[in-house]
Amino acid sequence: QKEVEQNSGPLSVPEGAIASLNCTYSDRVSQSFFWYRQYSGKSPELIMSIYSNGDKEDGRFTAQLNKASQYVSLLIRDSQPSDSATYLCAVTRNGGSQGNLIFGKGTKLSVKP
Amino acid sequence: EPEVTQTPSHQVTQMGQEVILRCVPISNHLYFYWYRQILGQKVEFLVSFYNNEISEKSEIFDDQFSVERPDGSNFTLKIRSTKLEDSAMYFCASGAMTSTDTQYFGPGTRLTVL
Repeated sequence: QKEVEQNSGPLSVPEGAIASLNCTYSDRVSQSFFWYRQYSGKSPELIMSIYSNGDKEDGRFTAQLNKASQYVSLLIRDSQPSDSATYLCAVTRNGGSQGNLIFGKGTKLSVKP
Repeated sequence: EPEVTQTPSHQVTQMGQEVILRCVPISNHLYFYWYRQILGQKVEFLVSFYNNEISEKSEIFDDQFSVERPDGSNFTLKIRSTKLEDSAMYFCASGAMTSTDTQYFGPGTRLTVL
């Protein structure tokens, strides 16, 4: 059974701090990795995608991938109350648009003003 | 900005009834998906569709489920005889052709089976 594991939280950080979200996956052939944000009652919204080992930065967000350790993380710098949501890690064996996404249960992030 | 749309936003039905959930994917996308999320649980893959046929389906997608692309724009999920446990949010997603692209999700349909 292919699994994606995340700490369910809640993770609470003060406004302006760095939030660190972690994810491990069990399928070694996974190729594409994604972080989605989901507000309560809403659909998943893509935050970051990453395909190769190392870091990828986009604004306040940095995704990190370590395929040897089967580990992917998301850092949110200068956290804002509007970042409060559940963050979903997802992986797929194929290219991002071409294979079914396997999701973790998500980590709930709360940013306190 | 192009987006995936879904109708209805909320569907209430009696157990045993048939429901059809509708989706309009992003117009130049070629890969289409249905996922579901039971309240408080993770998002689960149901089925993927490419080139007018199912390319992959999960264990959840049994004979009670079917998908169709009846025209060039709509993508539907049919549940023939709904069960209480089918109550969930159903998300449609679509993806473009390139392998580095990703899947974009619609707003979802909340299905409530009574």
